[in-house]
Parts: sequence; C-alpha cells; structure tokens
Amino acid sequence: SAVISQKPSRDICQRGTSLTIQCQVDSQVTMMFWYRQQPGQSLTLIATANQGSEATYESGFVIDKFPISRPNLTFSTLTVSNMSPEDSSIYLCSVHTSMGALGGYTFGSGTRLTVV
Amino acid sequence: AQSVTQPDIHITVSEGASLELRCNYSYGATPYLFWYVQSPGQGLQLLLKYFSGDTLVQGIKGFEAEFKRSQSSFNLRKPSVHWSDAAEYFCAVDLYSGAGSYQLTFGKGTKLSVIP
Repeated sequence: SAVISQKPSRDICQRGTSLTIQCQVDSQVTMMFWYRQQPGQSLTLIATANQGSEATYESGFVIDKFPISRPNLTFSTLTVSNMSPEDSSIYLCSVHTSMGALGGYTFGSGTRLTVV
Repeated sequence: AQSVTQPDIHITVSEGASLELRCNYSYGATPYLFWYVQSPGQGLQLLLKYFSGDTLVQGIKGFEAEFKRSQSSFNLRKPSVHWSDAAEYFCAVDLYSGAGSYQLTFGKGTKLSVIP
C-alpha cells in the first residue's frame, strides 16, 4: 500500500492566521482526501482532491476556508484559512488505491492543530 | 441516508479477555467494509477489510471480523486482548458508487481501555 508523509505533525497557531498542511505520497494516486477529526470525534470528510480538477467539497466545507491544491499525482496541500479556536482539530490526508487484496485507503499520520 | 453505527462509545476489558466491537451499517447494497485503529496522537492504521468472498476476515494484530449480511453488521473480534490494544477503533464503509466515486464514511468510534 502507499506510504504517506504528512507535515507538519502538529502546530499551534494564532487566530486569524492560516496554516498549510502538506501530504506527499510515495506513488502516484488518482484520489486524495482530506479529513478533519475534531477533539473526541470521528473523522469527517472535508474534500476530495483529484489532480487536474477543482477539489470537491462536502457539505459544510467551503473552498475559501479550506483551499486545496493538487499539482500532481503524488502531492496535495490543505490550507486552513483565517483560523479560529473552533478549527482546532486533527487533519488527515488519505489516498485511495485500487480495490483488491492490497487496495483500500491509506492515511497520513495527521496534523494536530491548536488555534489560540 | 447511508450511515455507520458503532453503538459502544467506550469498552473496558481485562487483559487476556476476549473482545468484540460492534459495527452496523445502513446501505442499500453490500459496501466495502473496514476497521481502523487509532492510537493516541497517531494516524489511522488499517486492521482489516472486507470486499467480497469469505465473510470471516483475518487482519493484523490477531484481529478478525465477520460480515453478516442479514444483520448488516461487521463486528471486530479478538480472542485475547493485550494492553497495547488500548486505542480508538473506527468502523468505516466505502459507499463506492461504481462510477469512480468513492467515499469513506466512518462510525463515531469505540474507545477501548484495557485493565492490566
């Protein structure tokens, strides 16, 4: 399965600022996903990022707040813009590989964001 | 709407005891099913997955899960729990539409505590 490098692993940011999270994959993948995990909660899909097209955002998430880039098949970034304490969460990227014995979804180790 | 239910928020077991974590899904067809584990401060690690075929699936770390179509369930089991199994466990469903559209939906998670 794919190996994902996600950084930063954690950060403490001032409200009103922005943070860009990077996700690097060791192989080319078509579909990349960004999730948010609020404290004590499950994972919620923010958006799906496909190379060469605009990201598709889930209900409740907008591009102005969470702009995503996908410049090639191995890399993506998620920016959390104009942060407030409510944005304090773990953000995870994920990639989808082909279904089958070795397929499925792989996750990065996450970025723990604290907004003060 | 499609959903994933993990009815147990928190389970405590003694080390060496058996474990069963429940997962039910609501979906019109048989989805692809996954169990992930998240240790504190870590990303998600895939324990096992079910796509088709044998309904009893073996995973890593001695875990297994059984898909029961009639009950729309995919419960995770382990015959003897180790202290290192203390973590959060997430059941997830891939509502693959068959048209290149994937979406992994997570249950709310079950936190497992292990008593020495």
